[in-house]
Amino acid sequence: AQKITQTQPGMFVQEKEAVTLDCTYDTSDQSYGLFWYKQPSSGEMIFLIYQGSYDEQNATEGRYSLNFQKARKSANLVISASQLGDSAMYFCAMREGRGDKIIFGKGTRLHILP
Amino acid sequence: DVKVTQSSRYLVKRTGEKVFLECVQDMDHENMFWYRQDPGLGLRLIYFSYDVKMKEKGDIPEGYSVSREKKERFSLILESASTNQTSMYLCATRVAEAFFGQGTRLTVV
Repeated sequence: AQKITQTQPGMFVQEKEAVTLDCTYDTSDQSYGLFWYKQPSSGEMIFLIYQGSYDEQNATEGRYSLNFQKARKSANLVISASQLGDSAMYFCAMREGRGDKIIFGKGTRLHILP
Repeated sequence: DVKVTQSSRYLVKRTGEKVFLECVQDMDHENMFWYRQDPGLGLRLIYFSYDVKMKEKGDIPEGYSVSREKKERFSLILESASTNQTSMYLCATRVAEAFFGQGTRLTVV
C-alpha cells in the first residue's frame, strides 16, 4: 500500500491564484515528519517546507504553508499568490521508521498559466 | 551549504555490465539514500544507510546493492545492468530535510 498519496497528477492554475496540492500519508509511527519538495524542469530537488508530527502549529515558509491535519493524515501544501516560476513537479515526502528513511509520493505537476 | 556530488551526470552502459554510481557528501551526515525517479512513479527508495557499513533495503532493492565504507561515500551497484534499470538515479543525505545530488541519468542499452 502506498504510504504517501498525491491524488492530483497534474494541475493548471491561473497566475496569482492560491494553490492547494493534496497529500495524504499512512504511518503507524508516533514520531514522523512531512516534507514538500519542488522539482523544476532543471531536475534539482528543492526543499520547501517541513512539518513534524508533534508540531502543533502549521509550518509556514514565505508563500508556502503546510495544512497539517493529523487526524485525517493529511499534509496539503498551500502556495499563496502563485507565480509563473512555481510551475514544476511537487513531491510530498515522509520521514519515518527505522533509520529515519524518507519516502516520496508520485508527485503533482503544477502548471501556472499567465 | 551541504554539497552532495554524484560522480556522473549521464551514463550509457550495456546490458550485463556491472555499474557503479558514486555519491559523496561533505557534511558528515549519517543518513544517505539512493532513489530512482521514473515518470509517473515519483521517487522510489532503493537502499539507505544510517551509518558506515550499515545498510537497509528500501522499497525496490532487487537488482541493486550498495556499499558504505566511509561516512561521506555511498555507492549504488548494479551487478548486471538490465534495460529496466534505465532511469534517473538520485542520491540524498539528511539531518533534517534531505539534500540531493544533481542526479545520474543512466541508460542501459
